[in-house]
Amino acid sequence: QVQLVESGGGVVQPGWSLRLSCAASGFTFSTFGMHWVRQAPGKGLEWVAFIRYDGSNDYYADSVKGRFTISRDNSKDMLYLQVNTLRAEDTAVYYCARDRLPHTGYPQYFQHWGQGILVTVSS
Amino acid sequence: DIQLTQSPSFLSASVGDRVTITCRASQGITSYLAWYQQRPGNAPKLLIYAASILQSGVPSRFSGSASGTEFTLTITSLQPEDFATYYCQQLKTIPLTFGGGSKVEIK
Repeated sequence: QVQLVESGGGVVQPGWSLRLSCAASGFTFSTFGMHWVRQAPGKGLEWVAFIRYDGSNDYYADSVKGRFTISRDNSKDMLYLQVNTLRAEDTAVYYCARDRLPHTGYPQYFQHWGQGILVTVSS
Repeated sequence: DIQLTQSPSFLSASVGDRVTITCRASQGITSYLAWYQQRPGNAPKLLIYAASILQSGVPSRFSGSASGTEFTLTITSLQPEDFATYYCQQLKTIPLTFGGGSKVEIK
């Protein structure tokens, strides 16, 4: 079955960087677009970034553009989110999510989600 | 950016009740809308996509409809496991956006 497992979260100080990872299994990773979505404590969902199945294109929310970079390694079935210059408002659970359909160049509905990883930005 | 306004943000209902949640888009998104359910401590789950198509495995008591820029999620005969927060999401334009959520609690 489809599994998405995030890792790399933790407590960091403002201005620091982290790399979040998402290990995928149970499907042909290289054929699906992937997303990062975050949820601040007690708040709603916020889409963060998308990367095309072949890694040739990506999109970002305005709130993270220029600070976050989504990437993938299809040879390792891994999705990444490099988060730089962290701010207190980046504190959230970060989820990776998989598109519903394969081989599409544009974001699809989020059919599968990981369990999430908490990033806390605090001095 | 396309804003999605959900209502109500909170509702109290009983098992067996019929529940309706509305999501209004700030501009036309045709049918590029999904509904997700999130139970406390869990990741969201896709319920409905393309405004009215039930995701495989989702009980038929869930349904979605659309009228212009207004979208509706209906749960007929609410079950104990349906007490959760529901989010709408649009995929018409980037940035993808979610509604603020509608929390369904037990009366």
